[in-house]
Amino acid sequence: DTGVSQDPRHKITKRGQNVTFRCDPISEHNRLYWYRQTLGQGPEFLTYFQNEAQLEKSRLLSDRFSAERPKGSFSTLEIQRTEQGDSAMYLCASSPGWQGRDQPQHFGDGTRLSIL
Amino acid sequence: RKEVEQDPGPFNVPEGATVAFNCTYSNSASQSFFWYRQDCRKEPKLLMSVYSSGNEDGRFTAQLNRASQYISLLIRDSKLSDSATYLCVVKSGGYNKLIFGAGTRLAVHP
Repeated sequence: DTGVSQDPRHKITKRGQNVTFRCDPISEHNRLYWYRQTLGQGPEFLTYFQNEAQLEKSRLLSDRFSAERPKGSFSTLEIQRTEQGDSAMYLCASSPGWQGRDQPQHFGDGTRLSIL
Repeated sequence: RKEVEQDPGPFNVPEGATVAFNCTYSNSASQSFFWYRQDCRKEPKLLMSVYSSGNEDGRFTAQLNRASQYISLLIRDSKLSDSATYLCVVKSGGYNKLIFGAGTRLAVHP
């Protein structure tokens, strides 16, 4: 399978714990995105990387959230001191870096986070 | 006001019906437009891009009206397998950030 891969698929943790998610994009894609989706809503943009550079962050990304893409390949999203409101599906997407009007973003299966 | 607004539905239609979804967006500088499909507890998947001239892909037709900031999706001859949530998506800004609507749920019944 050469699609976007996310790990873990599910994470259940107690409030206050730290969690880290991993995303492996499609290999030739240099753009990587993180989104968050809650029940009944569409995905909301969190942050964007071009290669290893984090070029945009949403105001949704509080200081408890940090994302990295150290070598321009896989990315990690860490949430510190989790709160119940962090329960959501965390989606990673990637796209090619060439300039074209319709650069489709390909999504991974997501990591479903549940905070007890 | 949300940047992308959709009727949440659900739309309950029989097999073979034609159904239309509408969407409005608020940012007139938006550059590209898409419909994504999302099955329950799955990731969104690109259904089709939306062009100003209108475009068709089999049973699916998408239309864009930039003046009214309005996007539509028409599904003809609905199949049971079309049951899903349809997300209206707008791309804004220089970094290809996608702005999603909340989705319109479609249920096709026998």
